[in-house]
Amino acid sequence: QSALTQPASVSGSPGQSITISCSGTSSDVGGYRYVSWYQHHPGKAPKLLTYDVRNRPSGVSNRFSGSKSGNTASLTISGLQAEDEADYYCCSYTSSNTVVFGGGTKLTVL
Amino acid sequence: EVQLVETGGGLIQPGGSLRLSCVASGFTVSSNYMSWVRQAPGKGLEWVSVIYADGRTSYADSVKGRFTVSRDTSKNTVYLQMNSLRAEDTAVYYCARGYDGSGYAVDYWGQGTLVTVSS
Repeated sequence: QSALTQPASVSGSPGQSITISCSGTSSDVGGYRYVSWYQHHPGKAPKLLTYDVRNRPSGVSNRFSGSKSGNTASLTISGLQAEDEADYYCCSYTSSNTVVFGGGTKLTVL
Repeated sequence: EVQLVETGGGLIQPGGSLRLSCVASGFTVSSNYMSWVRQAPGKGLEWVSVIYADGRTSYADSVKGRFTVSRDTSKNTVYLQMNSLRAEDTAVYYCARGYDGSGYAVDYWGQGTLVTVSS
């Protein structure tokens, strides 16, 4: 159950778009549509941004979008805002009937 | 309103046991899958365990055989029994509710309870 691979950090300026990648294997990301993304501000509860690759829960801004190609999932944040500065985690179901998170990506809004 | 409140954390010696509780309100724990996720100091999120609506359970390899997830529907509470604790189990433990209509995503999280394993 190795953690999914995410870049440790990404940055962007307000108004720009950024993409965070999440690399796995055919036993997790590539094998199932059960990929989700979470935003985590330290000290607060994580927030679900997207589920089942590209679906958004009600109330989540359409600035957040998920996608997947092969064994790699991605989260794109468009129109960056200062409040988007947080840690972001991908998550996938696995062939072992378990769930695995990515190592997390710290987003800095310049 | 959906709320999850975890309790039971604290300082425990290596090899010891703790039971975490997650009291739910605003929904029925037996109607959703419920997950436990932890975050060690300075580290990322790590999935620990899940109990499905039908009672099936699953565990991360790092805790399999040592941790047990269960629920008491009369108390609308989910538990995580942690035995043979190790220093590497030190973390904030969150319980989270499965998101209806999704596969394995969670929507509501508790505030977390800190478990410190140290002599």
